[in-house]
Amino acid sequence: EAQVTQNPRYLITVTGKKLTVTCSQNMNHEYMSWYRQDPGLGLRQIYYSMNVEVTDKGDVPEGYKVSRKEKRNFPLILESPSPNQTSLYFCASSLSETQYFGPGTRLLVL
Amino acid sequence: GDSVTQMEGPVTLSEEACLTINCTYTATGYPSLFWYVQYPGEGLQLLLKATKADDKGSNKGFEATYRKETTSFHLEKGSVQVSDSAVYFCALSLNTGGFKTIFGAGTRLFVKA
Repeated sequence: EAQVTQNPRYLITVTGKKLTVTCSQNMNHEYMSWYRQDPGLGLRQIYYSMNVEVTDKGDVPEGYKVSRKEKRNFPLILESPSPNQTSLYFCASSLSETQYFGPGTRLLVL
Repeated sequence: GDSVTQMEGPVTLSEEACLTINCTYTATGYPSLFWYVQYPGEGLQLLLKATKADDKGSNKGFEATYRKETTSFHLEKGSVQVSDSAVYFCALSLNTGGFKTIFGAGTRLFVKA
């Protein structure tokens, strides 16, 4: 089954404790993105990647890092999480302009 | 800059009522337009899309027409069901070397039996 998976689905952490949210897709898509969803703001792009080893900032990249060492994986790294990064995070992949989304990761930073 | 504006929710309707969710956009160039739907506890999934002016996208009884003259892409359905309760996102996509997608804020729809 074609899908985008994210782990973990739910995470509670404390300020400053490094964390990684994994994202994997099995559709051989070149393009992958990370978004955060906040009430009233819709989805805002954090980072995107057009292919292996090619990444770029989206609209809200501060406080986040990404890497793309393999085509299927695109982890999101929070080196020192802060409470304003409490949000719902979505990974997405695409071959063209239609995106396929993962189920989301709900993060709470205390 | 490029942006998408959609009507604020929540929208509450009775089953079998007509639905319209307004969406307007601002973009340089010629974007493709989308409606994505998010059911409770799930990620977004594509509902319909249109890639050029006057195209009509349709799926599951929903439809939307790409209106370049009014820069709009309103979502319509003639008779909603309880199972249509979800959050609906209007979005545009621009091919800028990759595919940059800009989302509206989302409109929550509640359908009562």
